[in-house]
Amino acid sequence: DIQMTQSPSSLSASVGDRVTITCRASQDISTYLNWYQQTPGKAPKLLIYAASRLQSGVPSRFSGSGSGTDFTLTISSLQPEDFATYYCQQSYSTPRTFGQGTKVEIK
Amino acid sequence: QVQVKQWGAGLLKPSETLSLTCAVYGGSLSGYHWSWIRQPPGKGLEWIGEINHSGTTNYNPSLKSRVTISVDTSKNQFSLRLNSVTAADTAVYYCARGPYNYGLWGQGTLVTVSP
Repeated sequence: DIQMTQSPSSLSASVGDRVTITCRASQDISTYLNWYQQTPGKAPKLLIYAASRLQSGVPSRFSGSGSGTDFTLTISSLQPEDFATYYCQQSYSTPRTFGQGTKVEIK
Repeated sequence: QVQVKQWGAGLLKPSETLSLTCAVYGGSLSGYHWSWIRQPPGKGLEWIGEINHSGTTNYNPSLKSRVTISVDTSKNQFSLRLNSVTAADTAVYYCARGPYNYGLWGQGTLVTVSP
């Protein structure tokens, strides 16, 4: 199985801050990497697919980059509705695997 | 607008079989892989497996011996069965549309395994 490791596990930030979350794969996955946002009691929401493609309807303050084993999710200016947990997921092979999550909290 | 809705028993005893069904409304099963993903309380996401409209399946090796995913194209539904459940199977179970990314999810079903 491909292991996905996110860092940090949690972070505190203020509205307007630039936030960066990283995800590392245990092997080369090209750009088969997706990012999700999850708020309590809700299903995950797809933000970024294929490492850098913005899902329809997702605000442009979200962006993704990377290829191979190292990937980044950036929120350019954190908004109140962005306080949530973020997961990366590889779609290079089965079983599909997720990172452990990064919880973004209010400072 | 395509929607998926899921249902099934929410309280099981150890050794019983978990059974959940997901229905697709406003769209076809064809052209996608339909997955089950679970999330234990307070923890991360675990992919259980997937099926396409032809019935071809892929399972997570960690659960393969206990899992069956099936499809009923006449009803536009797919289902999950997980045998011999234990407390470790307590989780919110989601159905989702794949195969490469999950842009469409069911609402989730909390399944609790308790004596």
